[in-house]
Amino acid sequence: DAKTTQPPSMDCAEGRAANLPCNHSTISGNEYVYWYRQIHSQGPQYIIHGLKNNETNEMASLIITEDRKSSTLILPHATLRDTAVYYCIVIETSGSRLTFGEGTQLTVNP
Amino acid sequence: SAVISQKPSRDICQRGTSLTIQCQVDSQVTMMFWYRQQPGQSLTLIATANQGSEATYESGFVIDKFPISRPNLTFSTLTVSNLSPEDSSIYLCSVEGGGGDTQYFGPGTRLTVL
Repeated sequence: DAKTTQPPSMDCAEGRAANLPCNHSTISGNEYVYWYRQIHSQGPQYIIHGLKNNETNEMASLIITEDRKSSTLILPHATLRDTAVYYCIVIETSGSRLTFGEGTQLTVNP
Repeated sequence: SAVISQKPSRDICQRGTSLTIQCQVDSQVTMMFWYRQQPGQSLTLIATANQGSEATYESGFVIDKFPISRPNLTFSTLTVSNLSPEDSSIYLCSVEGGGGDTQYFGPGTRLTVL
């Protein structure tokens, strides 16, 4: 599975959009980009995933560049409860192990 | 998405003993996974457990230390044997569910070894 690179930490003001970047320059054509988050000491929570096209759900939007070498997770209106570690993971197929990097610690400030 | 519960939620154990962690899912799933999260670190996969076959362990994890059972499609256990303080971690199970390839995680079991 391709390796991902994320900034170790980011800050965001409450009510503003949080844009979390992820680089995955070695991604192959059949690998998906997944985003999870982990609020302190809880189990990771699935957020969103995509292959080529941009995706949106009730939690977030995922923007994948045309060359697929990077992506951005967007939380449109961040709240204090969005403070968490966000993990960007690239995996190929069903049953693949999730390889967690260090993620990005997002802190939403009042 | 699948709803996953784990028991116990936390425990404090003495060195040399064992702890068995249960993972229960509200629907039948083929693949279940066990992860460890050491203090201040990210998650590491211990093993993959499929019903009807032996668990597949990742490098650095062995069956004698982390025996796994998978008796049916909704349940699995992970035992952490011969505990040492280095085993103090959060242990999490996950499943592929919801009709797709996405993995969903349980709330975790926080183990402290004295």
